[in-house]
This record gives sequence, C-alpha cells and structure tokens, in this order.
Amino acid sequence: DARVTQTPRHKVTEMGQEVTMRCQPILGHNTVFWYRQTMMQGLELLAYFRNRAPLDDSGMPKDRFSAEMPDATLATLKIQPSEPRDSAVYFCASGLDQETQYFGPGTRLLVL
Amino acid sequence: RKEVEQDPGPFNVPEGATVAFNCTYSNSASQSFFWYRQDCRKEPKLLMSVYSSGNEDGRFTAQLNRASQYISLLIRDSKLSDSATYLCVVNLYTDKLIFGTGTRLQVFP
Repeated sequence: DARVTQTPRHKVTEMGQEVTMRCQPILGHNTVFWYRQTMMQGLELLAYFRNRAPLDDSGMPKDRFSAEMPDATLATLKIQPSEPRDSAVYFCASGLDQETQYFGPGTRLLVL
Repeated sequence: RKEVEQDPGPFNVPEGATVAFNCTYSNSASQSFFWYRQDCRKEPKLLMSVYSSGNEDGRFTAQLNRASQYISLLIRDSKLSDSATYLCVVNLYTDKLIFGTGTRLQVFP
C-alpha cells in the first residue's frame, strides 16, 4: 500500500531556529506539493514541483521558507528562521499529472 | 472573496439523517471538482470527484452547477463514521488544487 511519508511527525522548536521537514512521495508520482494548514486559513498551497522542477512557490514567504527536491524520492521544506506564526500542520502530497493528490500524515510544528 | 467558499458548520445530525453541504467557487474557468474528507488530526483524503452530470458513490451524491458555480455533496443515511470535515476542492487546467476551509459534520447516536 503506497503512501506518502513525512518526517518528523511532530516538531517543537524555539523562535529563530531552523526547521527542516522531509517528504517521500509515492514512487512514480511526478508532482509534489507542500501545504500548510491552520484553523484560520485552512489548507494553503506553499509550493509544488513537477518532475522535480519547482513550478510555483508563490504561496511561500520567500524570505524564510525554501522548498527543494534533491531527488525524486525526497522533497524538503525549510524554515529559517522560524517564527511563532509558522506554527501549523505542514502536509506534503504527491500525484501523477492532474490526477488525485495523496497526502502524507503531516508534520505538526509548534514554534515557541 | 475566497476562491472556494463553504459553510464551516458544524452540522450536527442524528444517525440515519440526510445532510447536504454546499460550496461555491469564484473562477468560472475551473475545470475539475472534488470532495475530500479530513478526519480529526489526519490528512485529507479524496472522497469523490464531481462530474457535470452528477455522480453517486453509495450513500454519497455529488452535484455540479457550472452556471451558478456551485457544488454540493449529499450524504444519505448518515453513520457515526461519517463525522469528519468535508473539503470542497477545485482546480483549473493545472496541477494546483484550491481547497475550501471545510464543513465540519458531527453525526450523533
């Protein structure tokens, strides 16, 4: 049963620290998405990749967030420096072209 | 105005009831439509796609009205296990999905 995996599942850190979240998409999927979910805003798209190339990161605060896909089996989302307002659940999702997106279990981030 | 708007609820219904959720979208060029389900503290999962002619999957019926830019989800014979947040999702001719903030359903015994 293929699934998207994310690590860590939970992260508590202090303001100013770097946070790195990792995602392993489903093998064979060519699109990877990073979302952020908060109670107030719901699910927001931060960035996405097709065939490892970044296509859209307009939803991401550029000064502190960065997203990369060093290879087809790994996507990373980094926050440096982290701020309390970054506290949220970060989901990675993968898909094949414009078909269904499959979500990972998420990383729950708390920045103190 | 948000691109996808939903009534946040919560909808509290007894087991066996029929409940309907509505959703409106702002971009008339939207091409694909979906309902996702999200359980508490879990990830969203695809519930069903929504087709122009309307479609059914067991107790679930989805309808699309392109003229009014309106999508609906009907759940018949509600079960306790249907308790979740239902997300209305729209996309254009791209890979990007636009999610509504969700409608929360609580089914009680």
